[in-house]
Amino acid sequence: DGGITQSPKYLFRKEGQNVTLSCEQNLNHDAMYWYRQDPGQGLRLIYYSQIVNDFQKGDIAEGYSVSREKKESFPLTVTSAQKNPTAFYLCASSGDTYNEQFFGPGTRLTVL
Amino acid sequence: QKEVEQNSGPLSVPEGAIASLNCTYSDRGSQSFFWYRQYSGKSPELIMSIYSNGDKEDGRFTAQLNKASQYVSLLIRDSQPSDSATYLCAVREYNFNKFYFGSGTKLNVKP
Repeated sequence: DGGITQSPKYLFRKEGQNVTLSCEQNLNHDAMYWYRQDPGQGLRLIYYSQIVNDFQKGDIAEGYSVSREKKESFPLTVTSAQKNPTAFYLCASSGDTYNEQFFGPGTRLTVL
Repeated sequence: QKEVEQNSGPLSVPEGAIASLNCTYSDRGSQSFFWYRQYSGKSPELIMSIYSNGDKEDGRFTAQLNKASQYVSLLIRDSQPSDSATYLCAVREYNFNKFYFGSGTKLNVKP
């Protein structure tokens, strides 16, 4: 069964903590993405990676970090520098030039 | 800054009617266009992709693309209450793996 998995589904963070969100895909896609969605808002790009060991900042990268050591995996770390991290985080992947972008089920992060 | 614009709605239509959702984009070089449906609290689900000018039909859904006018639309025929969701328009940057999303149009289909 091909697709994108994200874990955990819900995550609670205390002030000052770093947390890591997992994203794995078995679609053999080269490109992977992280988006943030706030209530009633659209998607904002945090980071994206077009190939293993390479990634680029999106529109709201401050306070976040990523790694891309394997084609299948693109974890996102929300650091303590991110002052307002409560949001719905979506991971996505895409294939060749014309191909669509597919999304994982998302992780809902809440700061306590 | 490349932009994708959508009317935020809500767009309300009665059950059985045609719902028409519109999207404009700023990058003339864009080649790939997508419509996603997002239910409240869920992740976006791809429902249509279109790459050439004209219409593309899939069941009750029709995507329309006019590159000269930089305009993409989605028609939903025989709208059902289960179609009530937010619809996101997305444009893929030509030769790059970067996507630009509109803020979405909320559709309400009333029984």
